[in-house]
Amino acid sequence: SQQGEEDPQALSIQEGENATMNCSYKTSINNLQWYRQNSGRGLVHLILIRSNEREKHSGRLRVTLDTSKKSSSLLITASRAADTASYFCATLTQGAQKLVFGQGTRLTINP
Amino acid sequence: DAGVIQSPRHEVTEMGQEVTLRCKPISGHNSLFWYRQTMMRGLELLIYFNNNVPIDDSGMPEDRFSAKMPNASFSTLKIQPSEPRDSAVYFCASSSVGGAWWNEQFFGPGTRLTVL
Repeated sequence: SQQGEEDPQALSIQEGENATMNCSYKTSINNLQWYRQNSGRGLVHLILIRSNEREKHSGRLRVTLDTSKKSSSLLITASRAADTASYFCATLTQGAQKLVFGQGTRLTINP
Repeated sequence: DAGVIQSPRHEVTEMGQEVTLRCKPISGHNSLFWYRQTMMRGLELLIYFNNNVPIDDSGMPEDRFSAKMPNASFSTLKIQPSEPRDSAVYFCASSSVGGAWWNEQFFGPGTRLTVL
């Protein structure tokens, strides 16, 4: 079964609005990572947040981690057409030796 | 750095043929990963190497799949014989992994495989 599951599966918003995507997981983690995939391309790493961190920022991106709820959220502020992509969370479970990717959220930014 | 390099970018072959996918990881990275992505199953880890040694191959679908990493700068994923259900995009990724802490993975552009 998937460790990380994104919600929603698809999101469509207007340019300039904020986009929020959520990721839930089942077991304790060492870290959680968010990736972006543009159509026909490989995944690109966005942010890594460790289990002892609660929030991280990178430009227009803000990631939060709530280990008590086993969930994370990715917020993209002031969205742009170029943000249209699929976004994946990936978890590194404690004691495991591999990242497990969720199914992704497909984000569409409408001009 | 040129990033992770994969070849070919596209491969169309007929059922039963042997397919070899190639990957050059980022210089200095000690870990290499092969993933397969399909609409139905999402992104699946096939095999992971650390310091050229296979660590976890539990994701390899069956004996038709094999992977090698003869040195730190090259890896291959081979499918023999190929079947239509192997059609997917295959990604190679590399990373620096140390102890319990993993860093971000850098993905190649992928190889889109179509088996007719």
